[in-house]
Amino acid sequence: EAGVAQSPRYKIIEKRQSVAFWCNPISGHATLYWYQQILGQGPKLLIQFQNNGVVDDSQLPKDRFSAERLKGVDSTLKIQPAKLEDSAVYLCASSLGRGARGEQPQHFGDGTRLSIL
Amino acid sequence: GESVGLHLPTLSVQEGDNSIINCAYSNSASDYFIWYKQESGKGPQFIIDIRSNMDKRQGQRVTVLLNKTVKHLSLQIAATQPGDSAVYFCAGPWGAAGNKLTFGGGTRVLVKP
Repeated sequence: EAGVAQSPRYKIIEKRQSVAFWCNPISGHATLYWYQQILGQGPKLLIQFQNNGVVDDSQLPKDRFSAERLKGVDSTLKIQPAKLEDSAVYLCASSLGRGARGEQPQHFGDGTRLSIL
Repeated sequence: GESVGLHLPTLSVQEGDNSIINCAYSNSASDYFIWYKQESGKGPQFIIDIRSNMDKRQGQRVTVLLNKTVKHLSLQIAATQPGDSAVYFCAGPWGAAGNKLTFGGGTRVLVKP
């Protein structure tokens, strides 16, 4: 099966600019996740969707980050305006179900590496 | 383990030797643990998981050991190969609601030819 697709692979912007990332999950996967991975750290969950509804966005900096999954398939994550500390890899993952307990493991894309100048 | 570290511990291992990667967790109620492998420029890849009702689980060249008494788990890689060079993370549903995948700080494994 095709994996999780993300684009772009790399993005360089200046602080205060806007940026958007796109994710296409594995076909049939109802749950979609966006993670932020800062260099040298493990991924941190930003937002979780179940179909087109938000399940958890408690760690999403909502003053500058937004995400949507309008038709329950593809998703976009936006940062506006970007700050220096947003430099990271943004990973998208998907799973059949919404749990984190192994019944439906999460499959990750290769991420978008964002550099803020 | 569950704490996020600023430094990435590195394990250098000779090709063909066994590797042991460790992870400590703090919540004694944790009941599910996962190991992920992340190669440079790639997303995390599931390796193996274990539930708290088990002490040991084996996969292909990998073994996970769980010691609930000291809240420690380890990943053993047998006959380490150059393709095993990567960062390894332990993870689990350690969020407050128990349904959010939380990653530990990671260990980098470098395989020397």
